Amino acid sequence: SQQGEEDPQALSIQEGENATMNCSYKTSINNLQWYRQNSGRGLVHLILIRSNEREKHSGRLRVTLDTSKKSSSLLITASRAADTASYFCATDARRTGANSKLTFGKGITLSVRP
Amino acid sequence: DAGVIQSPRHEVTEMGQEVTLRCKPISGHDYLFWYRQTMMRGLELLIYFNNNVPIDDSGMPEDRFSAKMPNASFSTLKIQPSEPRDSAVYFCASSFYTSQETQYFGPGTRLLVL
Repeated sequence: SQQGEEDPQALSIQEGENATMNCSYKTSINNLQWYRQNSGRGLVHLILIRSNEREKHSGRLRVTLDTSKKSSSLLITASRAADTASYFCATDARRTGANSKLTFGKGITLSVRP
Repeated sequence: DAGVIQSPRHEVTEMGQEVTLRCKPISGHDYLFWYRQTMMRGLELLIYFNNNVPIDDSGMPEDRFSAKMPNASFSTLKIQPSEPRDSAVYFCASSFYTSQETQYFGPGTRLLVL
C-alpha cells in the first residue's frame, strides 16, 4: 500500500503564482523527502525534512511537516514555467537500523502557464 | 561528477527475449536501488543493495526478474523471459549513508516489450 499520497493529483497555475502540494502518510517516519521529475527524466531530490523538524526552506521551496497529522506540504513560491514537472513525496517507515526503504507517492503533475 | 549512469536508455524487444539493464552508481555510495515506473502503479522499488549485498528484494515481481551487484560500481537487472507487461521505465538510484537519505536517480531505461 502507498505510504505517501499526494494531493491534488494535478495542479495548473499561472507563472508567478504560488503552488502548494500536499502529502499524507500512514505510519511514523524518520524523514520525508520531496522529489521532482521532468518529463522523460529521472527523479531529482529537492528537500529532506526530518521527523523532528517542522519547516525547512530551500530557495523558493518551503516544506512543512506535521507529524501529528501525518502530513507535509511543499510550497513553491513565485512559480516559473520551468517548474512544470511531477512532484513526489517519499517516506520511510520508522524502524531500527539503517536499512529501511523509501516509498513514493504517485505524484502531482504541476503545470505552470507562462 | 557523472551521476548515476544507466544503459541502455531505450530498449525494444520481443516477448520471450532476455533483457539486461545496467547501472553504474555514484562512486562512494553504499546503496543501490532498482525501481520500476508505470502510469498504473507509479514508482515501485524492486530491490536494493547495501555494499553489494541484496537487502530487500520483496518488490521483485516474480522469478523472471533477477538483479546482481558483482562490485561497488556495477549492477544489472535481468528479465528472462520478458513479457509485454514488463514494459515500463526502470530507474537505478544510489545513496550514500543509508537507504533513508537522499537518493540520486539515473536517467532511466525505457523498456518496451512487444
